Amino acid sequence: DQQVKQNSPSLSVQEGRISILNCDYTNSMFDYFLWYKKYPAEGPTFLISISSIKDKNEDGRFTVFLNKSAKHLSLHIVPSQPGDSAVYFCAARYKWGSNYKLTFGKGTLLTVNP
Amino acid sequence: SAVISQKPSRDICQRGTSLTIQCQVDSQVTMMFWYRQQPGQSLTLIATANQGSEATYESGFVIDKFPISRPNLTFSTLTVSNMSPEDSSIYLCSVTPGGATQYFGPGTRLLVL
Repeated sequence: DQQVKQNSPSLSVQEGRISILNCDYTNSMFDYFLWYKKYPAEGPTFLISISSIKDKNEDGRFTVFLNKSAKHLSLHIVPSQPGDSAVYFCAARYKWGSNYKLTFGKGTLLTVNP
Repeated sequence: SAVISQKPSRDICQRGTSLTIQCQVDSQVTMMFWYRQQPGQSLTLIATANQGSEATYESGFVIDKFPISRPNLTFSTLTVSNMSPEDSSIYLCSVTPGGATQYFGPGTRLLVL
């Protein structure tokens, strides 16, 4: 049962335009949501996160929006650059006993065309 | 944040053999995590390794197949035992030095023939 879903396997955007990556979740107990970027042959790199008590977090060109009622979050990249081309993973944190764990979506491949 | 290194970065192994992957962190952390990413798939948590205690394995993963050591607060190893082609994956370690963010190592690309 996939609790974090990224329904778009791929997205293609023109350089300079906005990229919007979407993520849906089913578990109301998630308390943090994180976005990671992954290049081939590298480990995931943390991009930005948002607490479940917030609805927006911004860091430079990256903004994450959280809609708790819809159990939906999105990552906006403005303006998109060719170097942003990578796989983007949405992850959600939950408490398990005394620890926290992350569950990941399947990722969206973003291609930014020059 | 944390700087994490993994060895080896990649390997090609024969079925039936075992490979030990090392993970080194530049700071002391209580918990280390081991993940697997099979081709075209998401990251799947294998186990959580706390220093001084037995690793905790996720459903579908067992200690005999993926033994883990955690001798100190900056180092851990994951062994992939009795390998088969289905074990071909990227293996990643990660840590949470503080707060909600997990930081990942560069990964170990394993191909089993």
